[in-house]
Amino acid sequence: EPEVTQTPSHQVTQMGQEVILRCVPISNHLYFYWYRQILGQKVEFLVSFYNNEISEKSEIFDDQFSVERPDGSNFTLKIRSTKLEDSAMYFCASSDLGQGSKQYFGPGTRLTVT
Amino acid sequence: QKEVEQNSGPLSVPEGAIASLNCTYSDRGSQSFFWYRQYSGKSPELIMFIYSNGDKEDGRFTAQLNKASQYVSLLIRDSQPSDSATYLCAVILLQGTYKYIFGTGTRLKVLA
Repeated sequence: EPEVTQTPSHQVTQMGQEVILRCVPISNHLYFYWYRQILGQKVEFLVSFYNNEISEKSEIFDDQFSVERPDGSNFTLKIRSTKLEDSAMYFCASSDLGQGSKQYFGPGTRLTVT
Repeated sequence: QKEVEQNSGPLSVPEGAIASLNCTYSDRGSQSFFWYRQYSGKSPELIMFIYSNGDKEDGRFTAQLNKASQYVSLLIRDSQPSDSATYLCAVILLQGTYKYIFGTGTRLKVLA
């Protein structure tokens, strides 16, 4: 069964450093998403992406964040200058039938900012 | 007012019983409703989705949607210890733009 994959599984970085989190969505899916989940809290939407551009973004997704689809398979989330409060699990998801349809999540990247 | 609300639990049920999980949402523009299961330290796993009023069954799971009362529920029949997890209710609503909102989840414990 096709799956969303994410790398790395765990990333440790120092405050102020840039990080790039990588995702490979399910191959025939066209809509891609990033979410985060701070430990013990709910899943929060960051951004959705379709046709090589951002379609929606939340208040969390400020100028420190960016997304890119650098090739036909990868979808990346970049955090330019990490803060302690960026420590969280970051989940990539994808869907095939539009922004209102069911989303399949990857296993997540645990980001720890020290 | 919270946009998607769930009782945090834990909800404890004996093995073989029916577990009933509830979720209420505040916005009538909500279009799509999802139940995810999340084991500790893992990612959300989609188990049910429902778009229309009524019931939708898939194996041991039944999702129920009542748009007039703004709630969605998940029934798990013949609960197993492996069903012990946190169940997340998620809603997609369209308010000019799409909004994707998760509840805080209900922790279910199935007792062997």
